[in-house]
Amino acid sequence: DAGITQSPRHKVTETGTPVTLRCHQTENHRYMYWYRQDPGHGLRLIHYSYGVKDTDKGEVSDGYSVSRSKTEDFLLTLESATSSQTSVYFCAIRATSGSQDTQYFGPGTRLTVL
Amino acid sequence: AQSVTQLDSQVPVFEEAPVELRCNYSSSVSVYLFWYVQYPNQGLQLLLKYLSGSTLVKGINGFEAEFNKSQTSFHLRKPSVHISDTAEYFCAVSNYGGSQGNLIFGKGTKLSVKP
Repeated sequence: DAGITQSPRHKVTETGTPVTLRCHQTENHRYMYWYRQDPGHGLRLIHYSYGVKDTDKGEVSDGYSVSRSKTEDFLLTLESATSSQTSVYFCAIRATSGSQDTQYFGPGTRLTVL
Repeated sequence: AQSVTQLDSQVPVFEEAPVELRCNYSSSVSVYLFWYVQYPNQGLQLLLKYLSGSTLVKGINGFEAEFNKSQTSFHLRKPSVHISDTAEYFCAVSNYGGSQGNLIFGKGTKLSVKP
């Protein structure tokens, strides 16, 4: 357990509405990531953060934005949700202390866009 | 660019039989390699990882994997599976110490253990 929580765990929304997903960590890790998981695609990186207010795009960033105003929180926003954004979203932290360089994942948020 | 190929999307096997889940990767730089397991309706749990050192890596639940640099493979094995091993397994690769550090995942292999 890497002390990662995600909220909400489930959400149903309508096309065109804004949605914000929250990832919270308790262990002060510098790096945080948002991935989406879709059948047949594995997990794909949306955005990541390497510090407070430091973020960058991943492979599938179109339609998403992120913010990190505190070390412990990483927010993912869908400005105007579309049905193609129906997915399971996972947050991860990167533990890099000592010789370790490993990502640990939160429990996920299942988002349905109608 | 890095990529990961999991050669089997589904692997059915009988309980107590051995299993091998295959993973090949491509990368122009040194990599870290990981296997994650996802039980139904749950998140991803780290099964094992190769960062350096011995090429045979042991993980949780009796799984092990061998890093083969010449064949760019990181196959996952278990000598005797249980019903509880039924899950989806993901192989992933990361840049060796890369500043971005994100994982590139394979598409997953669904292991189905039958009684």
